[in-house]
Amino acid sequence: DAMVIQNPRYQVTQFGKPVTLSCSQTLNHNVMYWYQQKSSQAPKLLFHYYDKDFNNEADTPDNFQSRRPNTSFCFLDIRSPGLGDAAMYLCATSREGGGQETQYFGPGTRLLVL
Amino acid sequence: DQQVKQNSPSLSVQEGRISILNCDYTNSMFDYFLWYKKYPAEGPTFLISISSIKDKNEDGRFTVFLNKSAKHLSLHIVPSQPGDSAVYFCAPRVGGTSYGKLTFGQGTILTVHP
Repeated sequence: DAMVIQNPRYQVTQFGKPVTLSCSQTLNHNVMYWYQQKSSQAPKLLFHYYDKDFNNEADTPDNFQSRRPNTSFCFLDIRSPGLGDAAMYLCATSREGGGQETQYFGPGTRLLVL
Repeated sequence: DQQVKQNSPSLSVQEGRISILNCDYTNSMFDYFLWYKKYPAEGPTFLISISSIKDKNEDGRFTVFLNKSAKHLSLHIVPSQPGDSAVYFCAPRVGGTSYGKLTFGQGTILTVHP
């Protein structure tokens, strides 16, 4: 089945230690998104890729970076995680089209910062 | 500045009855409104949507109503089933792009009791 895959499902890191979260998709969608969701809050868009074009949200901290080496893969790099970065990180994809395409989400990676 | 608000954090309904989930928004540039459903340990999945040129869209047991003048939309589930128990997110999109950049509400936890 075509899908969005996130690895790992749970990630524990130490305060200040760089961490990378992975997302892959078999949908061949050209747009990929990263969201941060803290407990009982709305998922918040961090950035997205339209093909290879990176689009950062204005309020995304510099501590968060992303890479998209090809259509299928997208990575979220947190350079120096703080305690406040503990959250669920959701990857999503969508296809450019008539403007009403929905986003398809992965199961998320829960990040714990010690 | 919260552009999308789901003011009821939770809702409890008896099986067979109607569930009504509400969403209010402030951004008049939103032109397409989506509802996502999320089960524990899974990513959000698309449920139903409505364009700003319509005031109602129906799909089986699910109906979404849009009141643009009031900047309010609601999701009706009739009849409610225990399998509908999940978190429901309202997620509008700003127009002008051919792909979806969504703004999520905080979600409403729906519990349907047998």
